[in-house]
Amino acid sequence: QITLKESGPTLVKPTQTLTLTCTFSGFSLSTSGVGVGWIRQPPGKALEWLALIYWDDDKRYSPSLKSRLTITKDTSKNQVVLTMTNMDPVDTATYYCARLGDYGDYASYWGQGTLVTVSS
Amino acid sequence: EIVLTQSPGTLSLSPGERATLSCRASQSVSSSYLAWYQQKPGQAPRLLIYGASSRATGIPDRFSGSGSGTDFTLTISRLEPEDFAVYYCQQYGSSPPGTFGQGTKVEIK
Repeated sequence: QITLKESGPTLVKPTQTLTLTCTFSGFSLSTSGVGVGWIRQPPGKALEWLALIYWDDDKRYSPSLKSRLTITKDTSKNQVVLTMTNMDPVDTATYYCARLGDYGDYASYWGQGTLVTVSS
Repeated sequence: EIVLTQSPGTLSLSPGERATLSCRASQSVSSSYLAWYQQKPGQAPRLLIYGASSRATGIPDRFSGSGSGTDFTLTISRLEPEDFAVYYCQQYGSSPPGTFGQGTKVEIK
């Protein structure tokens, strides 16, 4: 059974750095072809891909947010970490992590999401 | 970046009716790398369709996807009460990570 769960702060101040952790089970990020990504959704708005990381440590970022994002993995802990710098109130959103599909970069399994509010 | 435009924004239908949702891409989506998701209030999205027409595990066969190039369609043959939700398309054919459409809400008429 594949599960993912996001953890991190629920409230951050403007200009601070957000660090989110995705802890997963049921698969290994050291297996060829496997990837994990982060997606966010502002309240009442659409989904937005943020970053992906693959089993071979290849990383891809949203072009519009690339300068602010870093994605890393800890295979031994079954975790993927996303950091986003210089947080702004417009970054208030539910942040999801997801396992990528077996046949492409779609999100086949999702975590429950974690709401992050950016406010002073 | 490929922009996906979904239409209509809201679809008002009754249970038992057929729903047809459109997703149009600003450029051709290579190899039909298009997925559809369903999202209910307060829940994470759920994968329905990948590769434009392949149903994900456990998805009922009343859901079907079709299309290629720039025009894609999600069809729900007969709406069940649990199908009223927001639906998103996503392309993953170019420059990962991919892009999502803005969503179509299917509401009870």
